[in-house]
Amino acid sequence: SAVISQKPSRDICQRGTSLTIQCQVDSQVTMMFWYRQQPGQSLTLIATANQGSEATYESGFVIDKFPISRPNLTFSTLTVSNMSPEDSSIYLCSVSDGNYGYTFGSGTRLTVV
Amino acid sequence: GENVEQHPSTLSVQEGDSAVIKCTYSDSASNYFPWYKQELGKGPQLIIDIRSNVGEKKDQRIAVTLNKTAKHFSLHITETQPEDSAVYFCAATSPGGSYIPTFGRGTSLIVHP
Repeated sequence: SAVISQKPSRDICQRGTSLTIQCQVDSQVTMMFWYRQQPGQSLTLIATANQGSEATYESGFVIDKFPISRPNLTFSTLTVSNMSPEDSSIYLCSVSDGNYGYTFGSGTRLTVV
Repeated sequence: GENVEQHPSTLSVQEGDSAVIKCTYSDSASNYFPWYKQELGKGPQLIIDIRSNVGEKKDQRIAVTLNKTAKHFSLHITETQPEDSAVYFCAATSPGGSYIPTFGRGTSLIVHP
């Protein structure tokens, strides 16, 4: 299965600022997925990122708040914009393993103060 | 859309005991049910899965059962060890959801030595 490198692993940010999270995969993949995991909660899909097209956002998530880039088949970034304490979460990128299962990055633990 | 309920939210057992985590799903079209284990500071990792044409699957100390009629599936861990301590997530996927998993809220399993 693919190996995903995600960074930063954690950050503490001031409210009103933005943070860009990077996700690098060791093989080419068509779709990359970004999830949010709030404390004690499940994994919620933010968006699906396809190379060469705009990301597809799930209900409740908008491009202005969570812009995504997908410049090639091995890399994607998620930006959390104009942050507030409510954005404090773990953010995870993920790719399909080709058999309906998914491989996840190690996550970015974001704290907004 | 799909809705996955997972119970219990926390499970505390003594080393050597068995642990059972249960999930129910709402979409009768769901046909793939993975289980993920998330250790502290890491992303979720697929540990076992089951497809809708199978009622049970085992892999060493872990097993998953599926009751399609009742729309519920369970994870069974026997002879638990301290290293089994983690958060476990069930998920359900369906063709209608483009095989993107819908996750349960997670179960924090604590195995006491």
